[in-house]
Amino acid sequence: RKEVEQDPGPFNVPEGATVAFNCTYSNSASQSFFWYRQDCRKEPKLLMSVYSSGNEDGRFTAQLNRASQYISLLIRDSKLSDSATYLCAPKGGYQKVTFGIGTKLQVIP
Amino acid sequence: GAGVSQSPRYKVAKRGQDVALRCDPISGHVSLFWYQQALGQGPEFLTYFQNEAQLDKSGLPSDRFFAERPEGSVSTLKIQRTQQEDSAVYLCASSLRRDRGSGEQYFGPGTRLTVT
Repeated sequence: RKEVEQDPGPFNVPEGATVAFNCTYSNSASQSFFWYRQDCRKEPKLLMSVYSSGNEDGRFTAQLNRASQYISLLIRDSKLSDSATYLCAPKGGYQKVTFGIGTKLQVIP
Repeated sequence: GAGVSQSPRYKVAKRGQDVALRCDPISGHVSLFWYQQALGQGPEFLTYFQNEAQLDKSGLPSDRFFAERPEGSVSTLKIQRTQQEDSAVYLCASSLRRDRGSGEQYFGPGTRLTVT
């Protein structure tokens, strides 16, 4: 089993839609979790940190389920500018972050 | 303020050549990471520095890969005798914190290496 698993997509959604991505991780010792956003041919940028029961930032909500070892990202009222690849990243020892393959989102006008 | 910078942005090497990739982290950032990202994949961890100490090099794919950060600031990733499978984007990231409480990383734009 891969350390981090994500559905690569693409998820094609209309503007204004709500979309959710899941990510499962295998390292039960992971303490912190992150969502990064990566635009085409650009570097990853931190979108959200996910601690304890999750958190919300504007249209974005991240949830953590330790028992089932998955985190989710919910995007409400999707904008064209949300089109990107979303990378799930649990953190293990030291500051070693393991990235998933990423889920590609395409928001359609 | 200035972010993480990397040079060169693009590098074409003939198979068998040595290459050196440079990373300038954000000033004052203790931690520095190197990743390799192949097309359609997520970044794969290569190595981690805390100041000048290389604490984890478990991700380096072979002994042809070598990284250093001699003064705890600028880092260089060197690949000897490049092979076609080394073609990828090499990303550098830095982080302010050294402890386990935080893992927010700031990435540079990457160096796109093509081995012909």
